[in-house]
Amino acid sequence: DAGVIQSPRHEVTEMGQEVTLRCKPISGHNSLFWYRQTMMRGLELLIYFNNNVPIDDSGMPEDRFSAKMPNASFSTLKIQPSEPRDSAVYFCASSSEGQGGLNTEAFFGQGTRLTVV
Amino acid sequence: KNQVEQSPQSLIILEGKNCTLQCNYTVSPFSNLRWYKQDTGRGPVSLTIMTFSENTKSNGRYTATLDADTKQSSLHITASQLSDSASYICVVSTLSGGSYIPTFGRGTSLIVHP
Repeated sequence: DAGVIQSPRHEVTEMGQEVTLRCKPISGHNSLFWYRQTMMRGLELLIYFNNNVPIDDSGMPEDRFSAKMPNASFSTLKIQPSEPRDSAVYFCASSSEGQGGLNTEAFFGQGTRLTVV
Repeated sequence: KNQVEQSPQSLIILEGKNCTLQCNYTVSPFSNLRWYKQDTGRGPVSLTIMTFSENTKSNGRYTATLDADTKQSSLHITASQLSDSASYICVVSTLSGGSYIPTFGRGTSLIVHP
């Protein structure tokens, strides 16, 4: 398995533009996480899907952010309109549900480095 | 509020030396604690995982400990190598409403010098 695949690896966009980040989880994993990482705040959980259903989106900073998981093998994180303060590395991770409902190890993608100018 | 605090924020050691990283948490109810290693420009990779009943777990030169009473964990690195230079992140998970929710520490940045 190729692991969690994110695209693009780097994105530079102008303020006000729409940005779409993509993630393909590991086949068979039923949980998917979107994280944002900055030097100031470290890793922050934005949203979490289980079996394609959003479970907890309390980490989504504001209405400009939205995430979808139309099927088990694909998810998107969209920012519209983008702002300079959205500049960060965005990670996608996936895991499967183990015994007792506890998730097994979360495997991370390589991340998308977003720069909004 | 669930929080994970790590110390030190950064650490510089010489190759071959040992070091210990600390993690204190207030996450409740506790489900499990993981230590991740994140190399620059890459996603985090899990090193160890411990549940409530485990108080130590090793992975090669990495040994993690957990004291569930004091809500503290440590990651000990033995005979450090240059490739150990990375950010080490402590993650404590809780079950909330039937869902698995991880809380991340901000990490300890380790630099190993030759």
